[in-house]
Amino acid sequence: DTGVSQDPRHKITKRGQNVTFRCDPISEHNRLYWYRQTLGQGPEFLTYFQNEAQLEKSRLLSDRFSAERPKGSFSTLEIQRTEQGDSAMYLCASSLAEGTNEQYFGPGTRLTVT
Amino acid sequence: DAKTTQPNSMESNEEEPVHLPCNHSTISGTDYIHWYRQLPSQGPEYVIHGLTSNVNNRMASLAIAEDRKSSTLILHRATLRDAAVYYCILVTYGGSQGNLIFGKGTKLSVKP
Repeated sequence: DTGVSQDPRHKITKRGQNVTFRCDPISEHNRLYWYRQTLGQGPEFLTYFQNEAQLEKSRLLSDRFSAERPKGSFSTLEIQRTEQGDSAMYLCASSLAEGTNEQYFGPGTRLTVT
Repeated sequence: DAKTTQPNSMESNEEEPVHLPCNHSTISGTDYIHWYRQLPSQGPEYVIHGLTSNVNNRMASLAIAEDRKSSTLILHRATLRDAAVYYCILVTYGGSQGNLIFGKGTKLSVKP
């Protein structure tokens, strides 16, 4: 399977704990995106990378959130001191920087904060 | 990115064509019209995109109005698997801003 993969698919954590999600993009894609989606809403942009450089961050990305893409391949999204409001689906997507930016999404990581 | 307007929901019968409308009256000359869909419990899936001319691919057709202020995604024969939320999104060609701005989309229900 050469699509975008995300791990884990589901995560249940207690409020105040830290969690980390991983995304593996399509191998030749140099752009990688993180989105968050809550029930009944469309995905909301969090941040994106071109290669290893983080080019844009949404105001939704509070200080408790950090994302990395150290070698320009896989990426991690960490949430520190989780809150119940962080419960959502976290989606990763990748694309080529050239062209019209069709993005290919992974299956998402469902986070539940209890 | 310019905004798009879509109906909240639509219904279709299986094996009938479906026309999903999208209005984008403030579209600029460099904006491409992209469509994505999201099946239940899955990430969004790219469907099709176009600039000015109508486009066809294995999944769907995209009809773009001459003034580009509206477009229609056409599913030629709806199947139960096409039940999903369909998003119409404007993407600026060559823009440095890479993210997609999703609205609420149109929830398509397909009846057997």
